This record gives sequence, C-alpha cells and structure tokens, in this order.
Amino acid sequence: EVQLVESGGGLVQPGGSLRLSCAASGFILSDHYMDWVRQAPGKGLEWVGQTRNRAQSYLTEYAASVKGRFTISRDESKNSLHLQMNSLKTEDTAVYYCVSWQWAVSYWGQGILVTVSS
Amino acid sequence: EIVLTQSPGTLSLSPGERATLSCRASQSVNGNYLAWYQQKPGQAPRLLIYGSSSRATGIPDRFTGSGSGTDFTLTISRLEPEDFAVYYCQQYGSLPYTFGQGTKLEIK
Repeated sequence: EVQLVESGGGLVQPGGSLRLSCAASGFILSDHYMDWVRQAPGKGLEWVGQTRNRAQSYLTEYAASVKGRFTISRDESKNSLHLQMNSLKTEDTAVYYCVSWQWAVSYWGQGILVTVSS
Repeated sequence: EIVLTQSPGTLSLSPGERATLSCRASQSVNGNYLAWYQQKPGQAPRLLIYGSSSRATGIPDRFTGSGSGTDFTLTISRLEPEDFAVYYCQQYGSLPYTFGQGTKLEIK
C-alpha cells in the first residue's frame, strides 16, 4: 500500500527557512515522479514543484511563485522526499501535500501546515 | 501555462439528483491527462478520476469522467449525502500542472 507522510511543518517568521519531509512507503521513491502541492487557508490547490524519477535524471521544475526559493530533493537511503523552503513569505502559508505519480495515478499524503507569520 | 476554468462555482442539489461539473482548459490537455478530485474540510484531496475517464481504485461507479481536448465533465449520477464537497480538476499533461478553482457541491 502506498503511503506518504509529511513532517517538518510549523510556524516560521517571514524571511526564514523550513524543510519539509515526506516519508514514502509501499513503493520505491526513485522510480516515480514526485510533486509538492499546497493549499492556502480557504483557497484552492496550487502545484509547487516536481522531481522526476531516476530514469529522467531527477529533473526538477518549480512554479514561478517559488522558483529560486524552494528546492526539492530526495534521500534514496530513507525513501524520502524533501522540500527546502527559503526566504519564506506570508503568502507561502498553506498546507503542503506530498504527491506521488504512479502510472498516471496520483497518491497524496495527509498534508502538513506551514505558517509564515511574525 | 494551461488555465482550467471550472463551472459552476457552486452547485446546489438534493440527494438522489444528478450533478454535472465542467472543467474547461485554455488549450488542449496533452494526452487527456485530466484528473478530478473530491475534497472535504480538513482532508487531503481524494482522487476520483484520472486520464479523463478512468475511475480510481475504490471509487463508486456513480462517478463518471468524460471529455477530451479542452472540455471535460464529471458526472455524479445519483448524489449520496457523502458526495457534498468541493471538486477540483487538474491537468497533468504539461508543466506546470494546474488546477481549476473548484466547484462546491452543496445540499439544497
């Protein structure tokens, strides 16, 4: 069974940094495309970025709103995904979801809240 | 970037009725890679339909996805009380992946 569990969220001041993690089980992370998606309070869903699989050399792409500030990485030894968020802004406040794509089907974690506020 | 526009914004229906939700893309969706999600308060989105018309595992057959190119539809044949929620479409045929703004399905 595919499972994704996010961690690392919390309260951070504007301009600060935070690193989210996504622990994957039930599949091999390196074989699949992985996304981060976020949802601001009371708003819709926003795609944040993607890392492709090993066969695609782990190519990463980012939404314009986070490019240059956010970095997606993998830890194959722990079968986990990370989202390093720097220079955080109040508008980055959201629930962040880890998403795995497997043969055109998406699997989602339960989400983790990040609050950027002074 | 492909912009997805969902309509209506809010749909008020009664249990047992039929619901038709629309998702229109600003340009053709590559491979008809269009998904539909259901989201309830405090929960992660739940995948209903992928590839425009394939039902995800465990999804009841009252949920049907259809369409191609730029026009897609999610039909719920007979609404159950648990179907009242917010529904999003997503295109994943080209980056950046994008979502519609959502349709809220509420009890009339």
